[in-house]
Amino acid sequence: EAGVTQFPSHSVIEKGQTVTLRCDPISGHDNLYWYRRVMGKEIKFLLHFVKESKQDESGMPNNRFLAERTGGTYSTLKVQPAELEDSGVYFCASSHNTEDILHFGNGTRLTVT
Amino acid sequence: GESVGLHLPTLSVQEGDNSIINCAYSNSASDYFIWYKQESGKGPQFIIDIRSNMDKRQGQRVTVLLNKTVKHLSLQIAATQPGDSAVYFCAEKVAGGYQKVTFGTGTKLQVIP
Repeated sequence: EAGVTQFPSHSVIEKGQTVTLRCDPISGHDNLYWYRRVMGKEIKFLLHFVKESKQDESGMPNNRFLAERTGGTYSTLKVQPAELEDSGVYFCASSHNTEDILHFGNGTRLTVT
Repeated sequence: GESVGLHLPTLSVQEGDNSIINCAYSNSASDYFIWYKQESGKGPQFIIDIRSNMDKRQGQRVTVLLNKTVKHLSLQIAATQPGDSAVYFCAEKVAGGYQKVTFGTGTKLQVIP
């Protein structure tokens, strides 16, 4: 089966600009998660979708971040406007049900200059 | 690969030796634990998991030990190989429902040929 795919793999933007990250989960996986790793620290949870609904968005840092999963398939994570501290690697993961292991994509490395 | 703004704990091991990576988890309510391996440029990859009703679980060349009394988890890798070089994360979860997976800081394993 195809794995979790993320696009783009790298993005370099200036402070104040907008960036949209995309995640395509494994087909049939209802659960989709966004995580990020900033400054080489631990991988931090951002939010969790079950199908198209946001189940848990407690990790979203502020209202500059907006995640969507229209139709319950792929998801986007938009950062607007981007700040320097948003730089890091953004990972997406999916699972069939919440007891399954998480399958991660290769991440999007975001650099805000 | 990943840039490390904050230095990760690093374990250097001679090829062929055994590696032990330790992790202290924080939530006493966690009852499901996972080890992930993250290679440069890739997302975290599941290695092995263990539930709280066990204190040891073995896989191929890997063993996870769980000590709930002191909230400590370890990953043992037998006969470490150059391909084992990566950052290893422990993760914890409260089983059931829509509980999120919480990651630890990570340990970088360097295998010396």
